[in-house]
Amino acid sequence: AQRVTQPEKLLSVFKGAPVELKCNYSYSGSPELFWYVQYSRQRLQLLLRHISRESIKGFTADLNKGETSFHLKKPFAQEEDSAMYYCALRGIPGGTSYGKLTFGQGTILTVHP
Amino acid sequence: DTGVSQDPRHKITKRGQNVTFRCDPISEHNRLYWYRQTLGQGPEFLTYFQNEAQLEKSRLLSDRFSAERPKGSFSTLEIQRTEQGDSAMYLCASSPNWGQTNIQYFGAGTRLSVL
Repeated sequence: AQRVTQPEKLLSVFKGAPVELKCNYSYSGSPELFWYVQYSRQRLQLLLRHISRESIKGFTADLNKGETSFHLKKPFAQEEDSAMYYCALRGIPGGTSYGKLTFGQGTILTVHP
Repeated sequence: DTGVSQDPRHKITKRGQNVTFRCDPISEHNRLYWYRQTLGQGPEFLTYFQNEAQLEKSRLLSDRFSAERPKGSFSTLEIQRTEQGDSAMYLCASSPNWGQTNIQYFGAGTRLSVL
């Protein structure tokens, strides 16, 4: 069975501090990992995906297959980063869970001024 | 707004009534997904379509739930004989062709409250 675990429901940091949102997954194979974000009163939107290997809004995430983790990091948090963050997994083509996303429970990030 | 559109945004119903939600995907997206999100949880997959074909259904989708996408464009999700446990946010997403560019774009959701 595939599963995504986000151990922290709430995370609070001060502006300028580093932030790390944890994500661990369980999947037999090499899945595709995503981070989605939902700002207040907005719809769920893609923040970044592991295959892109890019930094979006200062955030990066590295897929660690040995630890089955995909933690989201930002060196200097900003107040506008306050939002709900979801880690999600998608199986490989032809495998189980073809196409659909499996989400973690989400982490609410609050960045204080 | 050319994003995924869902209607209605909110629905309040009494237990035992039937409800139907509509999702209009982004134009030319051939994949359409339904998810359910309850308070404090991440979205959970319900079902998805490629064009008009329903390719996968979750075990969460009981016999009271049915989804259609008759012409491969908009989709409807119907819940019959609603129960209080059906209260949730129902999210729709669409994506273009399968492949590495396949990204799911979400609608704003329909919030269902069953009294």
